[in-house]
Amino acid sequence: QVQLKESGPGLVQPSQTLSLTCTVSGFSLTSYNVHWVRQPPGKGLEWMGRMRYNGDTSYNSALKSRLSISRDTSKNQVFLKMNSLQTDDTGTYYCTRDKAEIWFAYWGQGTLVTVSS
Amino acid sequence: DVVMTQTPVSLSVSLGGQVSISCRSSQSLVHNNGNTYLSWYLQKPGQSPQLLIYKVSNRFSGISDRFSGSGSGTDFTLKISRVEPDDLGVYYCGQGTQYPLTFGSGTKLEIK
Repeated sequence: QVQLKESGPGLVQPSQTLSLTCTVSGFSLTSYNVHWVRQPPGKGLEWMGRMRYNGDTSYNSALKSRLSISRDTSKNQVFLKMNSLQTDDTGTYYCTRDKAEIWFAYWGQGTLVTVSS
Repeated sequence: DVVMTQTPVSLSVSLGGQVSISCRSSQSLVHNNGNTYLSWYLQKPGQSPQLLIYKVSNRFSGISDRFSGSGSGTDFTLKISRVEPDDLGVYYCGQGTQYPLTFGSGTKLEIK
């Protein structure tokens, strides 16, 4: 059974760095792509970036200067790090997995991140 | 970036009725490999989005045949027939043809 679960601090101070973990089960990170998608409260979805099955990464150019995605295949985990957080980075952050050429076939439950002092 | 424009922003439908949601892209979504990577997602209240339709018209596993997708190039439509209470939520279209991947702004479906 494919499962993804996001974890991380619920509260981050402005200008600080956000670190999130996506722990997966039911599949290997070396076989499928995993993406990060975020959603501000009451708003739409924004693709942030992707960890490809072979370890390559792609980032949304709007976030590229602040964002880093990495992984630990032995722990079945994908990591997101984003620096210089501002209040408009507040939202729910999801990790999601592809299935072949089907984008975002499986989603985690999401983790709410609030940027506030 | 490919801009995805969804209409309407919201709509209300009676149980058992039918609705259509439109999604238009600023560029053709036909990939160099000939595939068109247009998907539809439903986000029910308080839940994560779930995939309904991929590559324009293919229902994802477990998705009811009440949901159907159509279109080509830059114009796409999601139809929901025999609307049920569990269909309420926000529907998003999304494109996977060109990076950065982008989504429409959503259409909120309410049940009368």
